[in-house]
Amino acid sequence: DQQVKQNSPSLSVQEGRISILNCDYTNSMFDYFLWYKKYPAEGPTFLISISSIKDKNEDGRFTVFLNKSAKHLSLHIVPSQPGDSAVYFCAASAVDSGYALNFGKGTSLLVTP
Amino acid sequence: GAGVSQTPSNKVTEKGKYVELRCDPISGHTALYWYRQSLGQGPEFLIYFQGTGAADDSGLPNDRFFAVRPEGSVSTLKIQRTERGDSAVYLCASSPSLDRVINEQFFGPGTRLTVL
Repeated sequence: DQQVKQNSPSLSVQEGRISILNCDYTNSMFDYFLWYKKYPAEGPTFLISISSIKDKNEDGRFTVFLNKSAKHLSLHIVPSQPGDSAVYFCAASAVDSGYALNFGKGTSLLVTP
Repeated sequence: GAGVSQTPSNKVTEKGKYVELRCDPISGHTALYWYRQSLGQGPEFLIYFQGTGAADDSGLPNDRFFAVRPEGSVSTLKIQRTERGDSAVYLCASSPSLDRVINEQFFGPGTRLTVL
């Protein structure tokens, strides 16, 4: 049963524009959320995280927004660059399930020049 | 190297055989995790260690899967009587601590297991 859902398998954006990747979750016990970026033949690389006590976290071109009431989070990349092309995974964890990460299926982002 | 390393990078085996997959975490990281990623899916949690002990093995699919971390550093994931459905990329990750404020997990490149 998928507790973290990324409903868009792919997204194409022009260089310089904003990329918005969405994620929904069902488990109200999740209290920490992370975004990972993955290139082919490599392991996922941590990008940015947010605790459930916040609704926004920003790091350079990357901003994560959390809407707890809607059980929804999003990753904004501004401006998008061709090097951002990768698969992005949303992940969540809860205290009562240890620190194991529950991942979505990923969204493949393509940034075109 | 400073990152998480996994060996072998690729493993091809026959149905019914036994395999071992190795993970070298980042030096000093006390927490170690194993995940499995099937085609078109996100990584799926298998087991995690805090030090030498398995703190949570609820993700292991059945008793053919076992993992150890005898000295609190290197970990080995062991799969007995492999089945074709075990084919996947097995990812290892480590984390400096179980501090809830810092829960970033650093992933290795994975071992691609193919069971023929």
